[in-house]
Amino acid sequence: QKEVEQDPGPLSVPEGAIVSLNCTYSNSAFQYFMWYRQYSRKGPELLMYTYSSGNKEDGRFTAQVDKSSKYISLFIRDSQPSDSATYLCAMTELNSGNTPLVFGKGTRLSVIA
Amino acid sequence: NAGVTQTPKFRVLKTGQSMTLLCAQDMNHEYMYWYRQDPGMGLRLIHYSVGEGTTAKGEVPDGYNVSRLKKQNFLLGLESAAPSQTSVYFCATWDIGATDTEAFFGQGTRLTVV
Repeated sequence: QKEVEQDPGPLSVPEGAIVSLNCTYSNSAFQYFMWYRQYSRKGPELLMYTYSSGNKEDGRFTAQVDKSSKYISLFIRDSQPSDSATYLCAMTELNSGNTPLVFGKGTRLSVIA
Repeated sequence: NAGVTQTPKFRVLKTGQSMTLLCAQDMNHEYMYWYRQDPGMGLRLIHYSVGEGTTAKGEVPDGYNVSRLKKQNFLLGLESAAPSQTSVYFCATWDIGATDTEAFFGQGTRLTVV
């Protein structure tokens, strides 16, 4: 079993829909959780960062972490065609460069106008 | 992406040829990483460095070597390229702040080995 599991999709939704993206993980030591967005032929860029359990909101994006279930989610409200991209979850044990980020495989999202 | 520059952006190699990918950062970050990204496989760590003069193996290090002679540069070498090394390579740097943390990625190098 990979440390981080993520449904690769593809996921296609109409404009304005609420999108839910999820990852599960097996390493209970993970404490730092991130979501990256990657447009086609570009490098990943950080969307959301969460430490330990709880929710974090930034505009139309909400990140949730449930450490008891080893499950993290990213919600996108009022989705736009510009949200069409691959979304990668990433996590690590410590806030230290010695424990590199472990990535999920990414979910490809298409928002249809 | 600001601050992390990868060279070259595209390259086609013949099997057995060698090449070096350069990652340069201007953010004074201690930590640097090389990932490869393949369809259906996500980002997999090749090698990483926690400071000038240090390197460590990641998940898929075979067939690659790295060097970090200067803090701002992290080189990835392929001594004898194989078709299995056809991939998109991403360099990343790591910034540990007081309240936040983020890995910054370069734009990627598309390598094809024929």
